Amino acid sequence: KQEVTQIPAALSVPEGENLVLNCSFTDSAIYNLQWFRQDPGKGLTSLLLIQSSQREQTSGRLNASLDKSSGRSTLYIAASQPGDSATYLCAADQTGANNLFFGTGTRLTVIP
Amino acid sequence: DAGVIQSPRHEVTEMGQEVTLRCKPISGHNSLFWYRQTMMRGLELLIYFNNNVPIDDSGMPEDRFSAKMPNASFSTLKIQPSEPRDSAVYFCASSLSRLAGDPKNIQYFGAGTRLSVL
Repeated sequence: KQEVTQIPAALSVPEGENLVLNCSFTDSAIYNLQWFRQDPGKGLTSLLLIQSSQREQTSGRLNASLDKSSGRSTLYIAASQPGDSATYLCAADQTGANNLFFGTGTRLTVIP
Repeated sequence: DAGVIQSPRHEVTEMGQEVTLRCKPISGHNSLFWYRQTMMRGLELLIYFNNNVPIDDSGMPEDRFSAKMPNASFSTLKIQPSEPRDSAVYFCASSLSRLAGDPKNIQYFGAGTRLSVL
């Protein structure tokens, strides 16, 4: 069974700093890797989806990379803002049927 | 569109009672997913439907859990009888497609139902 791990579990940075969130998965036979954001008391919001044939995806200040061979993905956030404070989860689509295996998330706090 | 709508937002019940959680997916979406989120186990997929048909229910913890999707605009997750260990946040999500490689298969989540079983 696919296992997805995110380290660190929590991260605090001062506003304006660039940061990297890490995601690792045990089975490299994935169809895509997705990053989500979860705000307290709310559902998840999709940020980026990287297909297995891609190496990275960008959206605004966010850049996600995928290295299937090493079982790793990173989410890079440039010029962090207090509004970026949330829990970030990565998820691997193992079967190609949108059956996602989620990591436990990294709780990010951006300090003004 | 109002997004995925879940009800109730909060549910407090006593052990042994029946609990029904409800979900209205985004109009036009053909896939619907039920998840459970706990501190210990994180976010786990319970079951998903495609075109109202259950495709994979291997994540359903036991026979006390059941899910239905009688039409494209409504789904329920029922727990009978409920137990304290069922306490969690239950999310519903929907997507326009479930095909691998299709950028339309992004899942949209509801705000969740926080269930407390005393």
